[in-house]
Order: sequence, then structure tokens, then C-alpha cells
Amino acid sequence: NAGVTQTPKFQVLKTGQSMTLQCAQDMNHEYMSWYRQDPGMGLRLIHYSVGAGITDQGEVPNGYNVSRSTTEDFPLRLLSAAPSQTSVYFCASSYSGATTEAFFGQGTRLTVV
Amino acid sequence: AQSVTQLDSHVSVSEGTPVLLRCNYSSSYSPSLFWYVQHPNKGLQLLLKYTSAATLVKGINGFEAEFKKSETSFHLTKPSAHMSDAAEYFCVVRRAHTGANSKLTFGKGITLSVRP
Repeated sequence: NAGVTQTPKFQVLKTGQSMTLQCAQDMNHEYMSWYRQDPGMGLRLIHYSVGAGITDQGEVPNGYNVSRSTTEDFPLRLLSAAPSQTSVYFCASSYSGATTEAFFGQGTRLTVV
Repeated sequence: AQSVTQLDSHVSVSEGTPVLLRCNYSSSYSPSLFWYVQHPNKGLQLLLKYTSAATLVKGINGFEAEFKKSETSFHLTKPSAHMSDAAEYFCVVRRAHTGANSKLTFGKGITLSVRP
């Protein structure tokens, strides 16, 4: 099983450039989410979705957009990259129930110069 | 609101000695609690979870955790550390709701080092 697939694994952007981080899952999970991981900060929620067509902001949404047109895909868009967005990004998916664990992708290491 | 506190940012043990990684949580509702492990440059892997059944939960690789409601704690333990346990460990709380209210909240993580 593929699980949660993130692409790319590494990316270097120049300040002001835009890009999309891709996330796909094949487990028919309703709940998908994006996190950024910074040293000493744990994982912080950027955006999440509870189903196709439904998205909402998390803890640190500024500078990021998301959409959810299908159950499987949940791309994260950086509209105008800034050095403060240098981070490791993780996509996760799960069923919506509180007792279910989340499954994580392998992460995207993004550097903005 | 919910939160997770991992007071220790770094724990160092010798191989073969016990491991204790501490986690305290705060939640307005009955929570589900999880421990995840992240090896260097890897994604997060579930170690174990508590979902209001047995308070002592056994996970993979010999780890276990005990849910103590009176202490709002969910500490992770292992009787004997192995070199391969060196990684970062995250305690996570999830509200007992579905849909938009079932967000995950992460602690800041504990880096476990294992000395030969």
C-alpha cells in the first residue's frame, strides 16, 4: 500500500516564487492536514480538511493556500515564498474519528533563499 | 482547548537501561493520546495509542505508556534501550470528537540519545 505520498522530497525556492506541495492518500480517509516542523517547535497545523470541498485554517495558515477537490488529494500552495517558510512539511491523513491515528507522508524539506 | 507538554527536550540514556519520556496533556474533553517516533530524515511512525480502553497501552518495539487521568499524564517507557531507539518522540492529543473538532495537537518533541 502506498499510504500517504508527498512530492517533492526536497525543494529550493527563491523568495517570491510560488510552488505546490503535493499530497495523495489511497486509504479513503476523510481527514487530511498539513503541518510544518521547525526545530524545537514540534509540528504545527497549517490547514486541514474534513472532506472534499471543505478546508479550514490551522494554527499557522498565513502564506499558504489549500484546496480539496477529491478525497485523495490535498495540495498545499505557497503563493509567494518567504525565508520564514523554510521548514519541513508533512502531510497526514486519517479517518475523522478521534480514536484513529494519523498516517504521515515522508515530508518535504523546503528551503527558501 | 487542548495542549501537550513535553518538559524534557532531550533525554540521554545508556544502552540497556530504562527509558522514560514524559508527557502531560490538557484537554477539555476525554482525549485520545498517541506517541509517534521520528527517526532522522524520516516521517512519523505511530508507536502506540490510548483511546479510553485499557490505561496501560503496549506499542511496537517494546514501548508502553500508561494513561493517568488524575495526573493528566501519558509517559512513555521502555525497560531496556537499544541503539536503534535514538530518535525524536512526539506526544499527541486528539479531542474525542469527529470532523473539524478532532484536530491533533503535538508536543514539541523529545530527542532520545542512546549511548553505547
